[in-house]
Amino acid sequence: DTAVSQTPKYLVTQMGNDKSIKCEQNLGHDTMYWYKQDSKKFLKIMFSYNNKELIINETVPNRFSPKSPDKAHLNLHINSLELGDSAVYFCASSDGGAVNLKRETSYEQYFGPGTRLTVT
Amino acid sequence: QKEVEQDPGPLSVPEGAIVSLNCTYSNSAFQYFMWYRQYSRKGPELLMYTYSSGNKEDGRFTAQVDKSSKYISLFIRDSQPSDSATYLCAMSAMNTGFQKLVFGTGTRLLVSP
Repeated sequence: DTAVSQTPKYLVTQMGNDKSIKCEQNLGHDTMYWYKQDSKKFLKIMFSYNNKELIINETVPNRFSPKSPDKAHLNLHINSLELGDSAVYFCASSDGGAVNLKRETSYEQYFGPGTRLTVT
Repeated sequence: QKEVEQDPGPLSVPEGAIVSLNCTYSNSAFQYFMWYRQYSRKGPELLMYTYSSGNKEDGRFTAQVDKSSKYISLFIRDSQPSDSATYLCAMSAMNTGFQKLVFGTGTRLLVSP
């Protein structure tokens, strides 16, 4: 009964390769996110999708391309991996956002377990 | 300078101590303030949420927001070894709703038995 799941949990790859991380949520939420957490634990939003529509794109290199085939899935594809891409990537979901400000439950983001990416 | 500043710690306390965790921020548009707890090798989970200024209490946890000083705090009473984790403050502005959370760097807390 996992709420937000990510695969793979660990990913070790060489510079220049292309890799994908998958995320699925079974909470019925309509907003999903990708975050990057660096070695100093700083968590920064990368992308946000609402009902399969991109709503936040935070100055992320265009080597990173999110894709949302449906409301329950948000995948992250990374081209030409670089050493600086090594981090933990978290997927998250929430029950709406700006459109649901009156609903107290809408503020909570549920995070997946993370994908630890190591680029060598 | 980051929008949200948080002392990375680690903060080491004995079991039963009162813990005070703090964040300062620079964006006066922030209205929603949250504390997330992150155990090692896990994703963050929401601990407390506060809208605008004031206090909120939930069991052993109390969240305080002082918008005039741009300062938020999380107090943990009767701390337990199971409270050992990284605590991340997060905040967002009205015009971005809850979607665009800006996180602090997290404070690592160690509670020894």
